[in-house]
Parts: sequence; structure tokens; C-alpha cells
Amino acid sequence: QKEVEQNSGPLSVPEGAIASLNCTYSDRVSQSFFWYRQYSGKSPELIMSIYSNGDKEDGRFTAQLNKASQYVSLLIRDSQPSDSATYLCAVLRAGNMLTFGGGTRLMVKP
Amino acid sequence: DVKVTQSSRYLVKRTGEKVFLECVQDMDHENMFWYRQDPGLGLRLIYFSYDVKMKEKGDIPEGYSVSREKKERFSLILESASTNQTSMYLCASSLAGGPVEVQYFGPGTRLTVT
Repeated sequence: QKEVEQNSGPLSVPEGAIASLNCTYSDRVSQSFFWYRQYSGKSPELIMSIYSNGDKEDGRFTAQLNKASQYVSLLIRDSQPSDSATYLCAVLRAGNMLTFGGGTRLMVKP
Repeated sequence: DVKVTQSSRYLVKRTGEKVFLECVQDMDHENMFWYRQDPGLGLRLIYFSYDVKMKEKGDIPEGYSVSREKKERFSLILESASTNQTSMYLCASSLAGGPVEVQYFGPGTRLTVT
């Protein structure tokens, strides 16, 4: 089992819809979780972090964390074509290092 | 504005060649990282360094070595390139004591080994 798992996609949503990106992790002691966005041919950029169970909102983005289920998700409301990218989930592990998932490719169609 | 540069965007090498990938950052960051990124596997940490002349193995160090002679420069070395090292290589840097998730990435080097 991979330490951090994501559906590779592509996830296709129409413009204006909610995109839901999911991530599961295997290490129960993980405490910190992050979402990165990576446009095609570009480097990853950090867009969200979450540390506590529940929801964290930032503009059109909401990160959700459920530690009991070892599940973290990213919701993008009012999806725009400019949101089309690969979204990487990352988990902070022992040794203060990040473990990344394989990424989910999101396509927002006009 | 933090800038992390990598010596090449695209590189084609032959099996068995020694390959050097260079990374330079201009923000006086102590921490530097080398990742490789493959489809469906995300970023995997190869090596990292917290200081000059210091290096630590990441998750997949086999077949690689690194050098950090100066604070701003972190080099990844493939001693004898193999086809399974064909990949996108990303360098990153971060501030010592800062949040580990805040890493500044370079543009990447797409290496093809034939």
C-alpha cells in the first residue's frame, strides 16, 4: 500500500461545478497535510494546509480532514478552466519530510 | 522573490554516462532537496541537505549521489545513468526552521537516458 494515495484521474468537471479531490494516507500518526497545485510543465506550488479535523476554507478552496478515516480532500467551488492542473496531496512524516501522493489531474471544461 | 534555477530543462544522456544536474538558489536557504517525479508516483525524495557539505538520503537514493560545496548550490550526480533514471528531476529549497511544506521549486530537468 502506498503511503499517500490519490486517484490519478483525469477528473473532468464543467466550469462552475465543484471539483472534489481525494487523498488517503496510511500513517495514523500523521498530523499535517498539504495540497499542491502543479500546472502542466510547471513546478508544484503550495495552495492549502490543514492540521485539524474538519474543514478549512480559503477562497474557493476548502480542505477537509478526517484523521479517523485517514482521509483528506480538497474541494474547489465554482471551478474555472484555470484550475485545470494536477493536484498533489502531501503528508508530513517523521523526520520532518513530506510524502507526496501521485497526484490527481483535474480538467475543468468551459 | 525566491529563485531556484536548474542547469537544464531537457537533457538526453546515454546509458552508463555520468550525469550532473545542478541547482542554484539565491535566497540563502539552508535546506535543499532533490526529487524525481514520475507519472502516478508523485514526487519522491532522493537526497536532501541541511547545510554545506551535509547530505542525507531520502527515500530513493540508490544510483544517485549529491554534492553541496556551497550554500547556494546543490548538485545531483548519476554515477552511471540507466534507463530507469529517465524522469523529471525537481530541486527545491527552504528556510531552516521554517515550515517544511514551504519549499521553493526549480523549473525541473527532464532527463532522458537512452
